[in-house]
Amino acid sequence: DAGVIQSPRHEVTEMGQEVTLRCKPISGHNSLFWYRQTMMRGLELLIYFNNNVPIDDSGMPEDRFSAKMPNASFSTLKIQPSEPRDSAVYFCASRRTGENEKLFFGSGTQLSVL
Amino acid sequence: QKEVEQDPGPLSVPEGAIVSLNCTYSNSAFQYFMWYRQYSRKGPELLMYTYSSGNKEDGRFTAQVDKSSKYISLFIRDSQPSDSATYLCAMKQAGNQFYFGTGTSLTVIP
Repeated sequence: DAGVIQSPRHEVTEMGQEVTLRCKPISGHNSLFWYRQTMMRGLELLIYFNNNVPIDDSGMPEDRFSAKMPNASFSTLKIQPSEPRDSAVYFCASRRTGENEKLFFGSGTQLSVL
Repeated sequence: QKEVEQDPGPLSVPEGAIVSLNCTYSNSAFQYFMWYRQYSRKGPELLMYTYSSGNKEDGRFTAQVDKSSKYISLFIRDSQPSDSATYLCAMKQAGNQFYFGTGTSLTVIP
């Protein structure tokens, strides 16, 4: 299995631009999570999906952030408009129901908003 | 108060040393306790997990949970340079939300 696949690996953009991050979970995993990691705050859960349905988006910082999961093999996290304080590493992770401790992470997207 | 507290370090030890990494938590409903290892520019990967109080051993690694004190530890024996990474504790109740510590950066010096 290729694991959780995220793209792009790096994104550099200017303030005000739209940013779209992509994730392909592991096949057969039915829960998908989006996290943001910074030195100051560590890993923060933004949103998670169960069977493609958003369950908890209370971690999404504000309306500029949105996430979709149109099918079991693809999810996007969009930031519009982006701001410098959004600069962080964004991770996607997936899990199979019943395997409570096994969360599999992608390699992350390093986002820099100038 | 944060759900999970972890000393960020950084921690620097000589090769062969015993390393102790610790986390405390406030939610007595946590049932699952995990340690993730994160190498530079990579995503976290699951290292060890346990469901109950006590010790669990896997090679050079021992995970310890003390539910009465709300305290978990990871011990690394005979530490190697390849153990240099950031170690994150994580906990969860039944359900989907994982609570992560901020991570402890470890460097093992050859």
